[in-house]
Amino acid sequence: GNSVTQMEGPVTLSEEAFLTINCTYTATGYPSLFWYVQYPGEGLQLLLKATKADDKGSNKGFEATYRKETTSFHLEKGSVQVSDSAVYFCALSDLYNFNKFYFGSGTKLNVKP
Amino acid sequence: DVKVTQSSRYLVKRTGEKVFLECVQDMDHENMFWYRQDPGLGLRLIYFSYDVKMKEKGDIPEGYSVSREKKERFSLILESASTNQTSMYLCASSPGTGTYNSPLHFGNGTRLTVT
Repeated sequence: GNSVTQMEGPVTLSEEAFLTINCTYTATGYPSLFWYVQYPGEGLQLLLKATKADDKGSNKGFEATYRKETTSFHLEKGSVQVSDSAVYFCALSDLYNFNKFYFGSGTKLNVKP
Repeated sequence: DVKVTQSSRYLVKRTGEKVFLECVQDMDHENMFWYRQDPGLGLRLIYFSYDVKMKEKGDIPEGYSVSREKKERFSLILESASTNQTSMYLCASSPGTGTYNSPLHFGNGTRLTVT
């Protein structure tokens, strides 16, 4: 079946620190992979995506590379800001099942000034 | 931009009440979804619909039903609310099959408290 596992939080960093949030997946086919971000009191917003192996998604300084050999899609940012404090969700979509999405449990990021 | 609108941000209901959560999207998307979000559990799929009047159970459908009479509107119904249904409910939509790498677009959520 399909599933997503991401590192537990919370992750607490100082401003300008390097960020990595680990995400691994299990999939029966060839999924697309996504990172979503949720700011307090809001719904989820798409942060970036990758649709095939070795693709790199990027947005707002965040990056993630679709690694088929390690079934991973780790989120990275070189220098975090206080405004990046949010909950981050890794997800995959299943082409063969109405594009159903499978989400990780979320990782809360706290960035301190 | 796609807009997914959930009719209420906060709801407080009593145990046993019938509760309706409404969701409307404005981008002619075929697929619509209802998730609940709970701390430590992430997002869990309750129901989804891939066409008008069509519905499929997700991972946790017990205690819920849905209605999709029009393409733009997808309603979640709690037939008899219970305290364990206190949660954040998120509606989402996406284009239909053939657009497999399209993201989900989410509403801002409805925080439901059942007392």
